[in-house]
Amino acid sequence: RKEVEQDPGPFNVPEGATVAFNCTYSNSASQSFFWYRQDCRKEPKLLMSVYSSGNEDGRFTAQLNRASQYISLLIRDSKLSDSATYLCVVNLNNFNKFYFGSGTKLNVKP
Amino acid sequence: EPEVTQTPSHQVTQMGQEVILRCVPISNHLYFYWYRQILGQKVEFLVSFYNNEISEKSEIFDDQFSVERPDGSNFTLKIRSTKLEDSAMYFCASSEAVNRVSYEQYFGPGTRLTVT
Repeated sequence: RKEVEQDPGPFNVPEGATVAFNCTYSNSASQSFFWYRQDCRKEPKLLMSVYSSGNEDGRFTAQLNRASQYISLLIRDSKLSDSATYLCVVNLNNFNKFYFGSGTKLNVKP
Repeated sequence: EPEVTQTPSHQVTQMGQEVILRCVPISNHLYFYWYRQILGQKVEFLVSFYNNEISEKSEIFDDQFSVERPDGSNFTLKIRSTKLEDSAMYFCASSEAVNRVSYEQYFGPGTRLTVT
């Protein structure tokens, strides 16, 4: 079983739409969770950490559900510039080792 | 804004040759990482480094790989005898532990390694 699983998409949405991605993780001992975005052939860029209480940064909201072992990312009012692959990253039990999901591709169309 | 830098941006080498990929992490960061991403595949953890030693490594990080922090700024990944399947983008990342719970990593632009 994969440590981190994501729907690969693509999610094709119009500008202004709200879109949500989920990511499931297999190990209940996972401690830290992150969303990164990756543009084609570029490095991953940190979007936000995911905290137990949920957190919001502008149009982006992240949630953690430990009982069901998933994290989510909600993007409101999608912009063309949001088009990218969104990577879910999980840190196991505070060891300095990280698991990346395969990413969910988002295409925002005019 | 401080950033992670990597050199070279592209390295072409012949099978069996040794390569050294170089990274300069963000200056006040304490944790350093190498990842690889084969074209079209996911980002894979290779190794993490803290306090001048490896703290974690993956199954991929076998005896042909080694890491070093030769001075106060550089962090290197050496591949001793490259194989065709080592062709990938190699990313360096660094982080500072935030209350030892969250490790927000910042990535360099990557080195594309092509083994022929």
